[in-house]
Amino acid sequence: DVKVTQSSRYLVKRTGEKVFLECVQDMDHENMFWYRQDPGLGLRLIYFSYDVKMKEKGDIPEGYSVSREKKERFSLILESASTNQTSMYLCASRNPQRGTDTQYFGPGTRLTVL
Amino acid sequence: AQSVAQPEDQVNVAEGNPLTVKCTYSVSGNPYLFWYVQYPNRGLQFLLKYITGDNLVKGSYGFEAEFNKSQTSFHLKKPSALVSDSALYFCAVRDTGNQFYFGTGTSLTVIP
Repeated sequence: DVKVTQSSRYLVKRTGEKVFLECVQDMDHENMFWYRQDPGLGLRLIYFSYDVKMKEKGDIPEGYSVSREKKERFSLILESASTNQTSMYLCASRNPQRGTDTQYFGPGTRLTVL
Repeated sequence: AQSVAQPEDQVNVAEGNPLTVKCTYSVSGNPYLFWYVQYPNRGLQFLLKYITGDNLVKGSYGFEAEFNKSQTSFHLKKPSALVSDSALYFCAVRDTGNQFYFGTGTSLTVIP
């Protein structure tokens, strides 16, 4: 089974702090994604990565950056956390080969910024 | 632009009754359509997908979905609902550029 893990289930940070959210997948998937989930807004794509050292902005990249130095790890960085970044953050990975189009999600990190 | 709409925020159904969770989409080219389920405090789990072929797609836990090209819909269905089906359901579409677009989610409550 594919396993996607996220470093924290719950995180509380203060405004202005630098925050790292880590995601690791164990199935050698090329593609990885970071979403945030907010009530009434569904999932919104922050950044995605086609492969190592590659990244693309999603729909809401402002205030975030990412790092993908190794294939299995995709990090989301909040350079200076703000209260409007309080949210559930979901990481996903995917093997883009034909017929294996499914995204596999981690359990999520609920981030609260005070 | 690609988009997915789930017109119902909340669906309530009695246990044992059939359930439908609605989804309509807008995408250029052939659609790749997905349903995911999210249980409380969990990540999303894949239920089923439509890429090509039969319009009726069967997935996990007895769920199925019907692709209707003329109505641009991909409604999720189950013949007999269980209390354990209560969860948040997301419809998603993938465009040719490998980006996924999710609906806002529908909360399903199955009443015993």
